[in-house]
Amino acid sequence: EADIYQTPRYLVIGTGKKITLECSQTMGHDKMYWYQQDPGMELHLIHYSYGVNSTEKGDLSSESTVSRIRTEHFPLTLESARPSHTSQYLCASSEWVVPHRQTQYFGPGTRLLVL
Amino acid sequence: QKEVEQDPGPLSVPEGAIVSLNCTYSNSAFQYFMWYRQYSRKGPELLMYTYSSGNKEDGRFTAQVDKSSKYISLFIRDSQPSDSATYLCAMVPEYGNKLVFGAGTILRVKS
Repeated sequence: EADIYQTPRYLVIGTGKKITLECSQTMGHDKMYWYQQDPGMELHLIHYSYGVNSTEKGDLSSESTVSRIRTEHFPLTLESARPSHTSQYLCASSEWVVPHRQTQYFGPGTRLLVL
Repeated sequence: QKEVEQDPGPLSVPEGAIVSLNCTYSNSAFQYFMWYRQYSRKGPELLMYTYSSGNKEDGRFTAQVDKSSKYISLFIRDSQPSDSATYLCAMVPEYGNKLVFGAGTILRVKS
């Protein structure tokens, strides 16, 4: 069973506020990911990391930023929230060991509503 | 055109039915194929993982990959109301690092 945690689970916040979505995993996985998921739509990769001090933007353009200063922790920050940021944000991690390196394990998600 | 196509459903079946969920894809480089189950207000949970073509069975679940047709399937035998969820397919090339997901199929199993 995957041990990956996200907080908060739900967040309602006003426009212009700064928010940080937390993600932690206890599996020692090198790779971590942030996805955005809207109802009936594919998961879209917005950020990923290969390891400490490594971060890359994903396929979907996002105004968010991420950091990776510890293996187990991969927070996502929005400096100024807008209603267009309303979505579900999913964090995932994966291990490098072949053949399992492509298997991603997901956290429970954070549902964000920006008013 | 999307790289991975998946019928959104919803697919409604009676308890005990055999369920077939499918995805088609366009990128012949995909080598790893996964099925995830996502309950409402939860994150996706890995169900099945297959490398290249062939079948894989795990309990009531069977995953099939036909690379020649660019078509993958998930079969659920003796479906249960607890199987009601959204099923997402995902795939990635041999040395790729980004999963490509289908939009998911909503399954409802009625008791």
